[in-house]
Amino acid sequence: DAGVIQSPRHEVTEMGQEVTLRCKPISGHNSLFWYRQTMMRGLELLIYFNNNVPIDDSGMPEDRFSAKMPNASFSTLKIQPSEPRDSAVYFCASSLGGGWGARQYFGPGTRLTVT
Amino acid sequence: DAKTTQPNSMESNEEEPVHLPCNHSTISGTDYIHWYRQLPSQGPEYVIHGLTSNVNNRMASLAIAEDRKSSTLILHRATLRDAAVYYCILRKTGNQFYFGTGTSLTVIP
Repeated sequence: DAGVIQSPRHEVTEMGQEVTLRCKPISGHNSLFWYRQTMMRGLELLIYFNNNVPIDDSGMPEDRFSAKMPNASFSTLKIQPSEPRDSAVYFCASSLGGGWGARQYFGPGTRLTVT
Repeated sequence: DAKTTQPNSMESNEEEPVHLPCNHSTISGTDYIHWYRQLPSQGPEYVIHGLTSNVNNRMASLAIAEDRKSSTLILHRATLRDAAVYYCILRKTGNQFYFGTGTSLTVIP
């Protein structure tokens, strides 16, 4: 199994540009999560999908952020327009089932730098 | 959000056992206790989880206090590859995990 795949691994962009991060969950998993990690705030849950439907987006910082999951094997996190404070590592994770013991499998992350 | 309290950092000598504590005094009866770790420049990875009874797997053991207000992750023989940030998480309803600040473990050769 290839695990959770994220692309790109690194992204450098200028303030005001649109950024799109991509995630392919583990095949067969039905839950997908987007997290953001910074030194100041640690790991924060941004949004959570179950069966391709957004369940909880309360962690999305503002309207500049949007996430979609058009099918079970692909999700995107878009920032438009990007700002320097969006610089962080963004992780995607997936899990199987909704039981409270279900473990999450994390991707390697996308390191975003906004200049 | 469910709250957990962990020491910011700990040190251990290589090949010695490590006990990583976590306090979760607001835990409710159906909250699972999960532990994840994050190695440098990687995403978090699952370590172990439990509800009430102590749990063992190939990576670690989880000791849960009788009142469930605290737990301890035990690495039986620390190796240099165990140097990481260890997160103790309470998992409430649904699939969401809320990570705290974790404990940064340094393993001394």
